[in-house]
Amino acid sequence: DTEVTQTPKHLVMGMTNKKSLKCEQHMGHRAMYWYKQKAKKPPELMFVYSYEKLSINESVPSRFSPECPNSSLLNLHLHALQPEDSALYLCASSPGLGGYGYTFGSGTRLTVV
Amino acid sequence: GIQVEQSPPDLILQEGANSTLRCNFSDSVNNLQWFHQNPWGQLINLFYIPSGTKQNGRLSATTVATERYSLLYISSSQTTDSGVYFCAVNQAGTALIFGKGTTLSVSS
Repeated sequence: DTEVTQTPKHLVMGMTNKKSLKCEQHMGHRAMYWYKQKAKKPPELMFVYSYEKLSINESVPSRFSPECPNSSLLNLHLHALQPEDSALYLCASSPGLGGYGYTFGSGTRLTVV
Repeated sequence: GIQVEQSPPDLILQEGANSTLRCNFSDSVNNLQWFHQNPWGQLINLFYIPSGTKQNGRLSATTVATERYSLLYISSSQTTDSGVYFCAVNQAGTALIFGKGTTLSVSS
């Protein structure tokens, strides 16, 4: 299995909702990432987990809460989002942090209404 | 942090034409990847190429690490090559950082 699987593919949520994005990989990779991509912009790093521990948090607002239950799974919990948080959320994995060979999922397109 | 610059920002081609995309980076890197993002948002890895030259069909890439640049060559372009091409790099202990991308439009 050489894929990163993200669910759901599309999500519409209200500003008072709580929802979660899920990401799964079975390549034995030990680093997993969340990126946020706005229209016509490059992906921007949000969080990095290395060996299931949070290694990097790029000053992301607390309404985004990451979780890494095990080495294959990565979640992003969403609460009280704003319309400007609407974006494509991409999950990625790599064999290790700072190494090579990143694989990206197909993303979750999030709309906050 | 490391800076990644891509050029040109936009490129319009007729089907069958060749093109060269450039990526400059400001410091030594552990990893460099070229991605193609399709209209549905999927980032497809084209090459892992921190140094040297690789070829895959009509695409090839060269990275000159000592001069801190990489080139992506697309030959005999097809309409399915349209999309955004990103160069991304990382150093030891850091995550992948993306350039702003080159938007390629190929018309028939």
